[in-house]
Amino acid sequence: SQQGEEDPQALSIQEGENATMNCSYKTSINNLQWYRQNSGRGLVHLILIRSNEREKHSGRLRVTLDTSKKSSSLLITASRAADTASYFCATGTDSSYKLIFGSGTRLLVRP
Amino acid sequence: DAGITQSPRHKVTETGTPVTLRCHQTENHRYMYWYRQDPGHGLRLIHYSYGVKDTDKGEVSDGYSVSRSKTEDFLLTLESATSSQTSVYFCAISESTQGWAEAFFGQGTRLTVV
Repeated sequence: SQQGEEDPQALSIQEGENATMNCSYKTSINNLQWYRQNSGRGLVHLILIRSNEREKHSGRLRVTLDTSKKSSSLLITASRAADTASYFCATGTDSSYKLIFGSGTRLLVRP
Repeated sequence: DAGITQSPRHKVTETGTPVTLRCHQTENHRYMYWYRQDPGHGLRLIHYSYGVKDTDKGEVSDGYSVSRSKTEDFLLTLESATSSQTSVYFCAISESTQGWAEAFFGQGTRLTVV
């Protein structure tokens, strides 16, 4: 089974609203990463947060990590139609260099 | 964009035939990954490599083998293709000198097994 599971599976919001996606994982991690995928394209890295970090920002993105709950959230503020995509979390551990992905959240931002 | 190329981009093959997908990088990154993406499953790791001739299994390795004889190329072989291996396959590369780093993805190979 996959390490990361995103919630919700699909999210539809109005342009200008904030979008929040959650990721839960099962084992201890070294880091957690978020990626974006536009339809039919490869994945693009958004942000990496290490296990000793609690929050990280990049432009309109804010990621939090709670290792006690084995969960992370990705917040996209002031969403735009161009943010429409699928978003995936991925985890890396100290014991190997496997990068394991969750099943993703499909975000639709309506103009 | 990271220099990573997958070939072919599209392929249709018959059940029972062997198929090889190629991932080529120009970044000299140490780590290379093969994933498959299917609806409802996200990306699942097939195999990965942490150096030349160093590979390991991922989550869904049955029916697949890999080889990495030089840094820039990571080959994925479906030994005897089955319809369940119809999927989109992604290659990714990563380099970490101080722990983990971001991965860069190729554009994908759409494989159809008929």
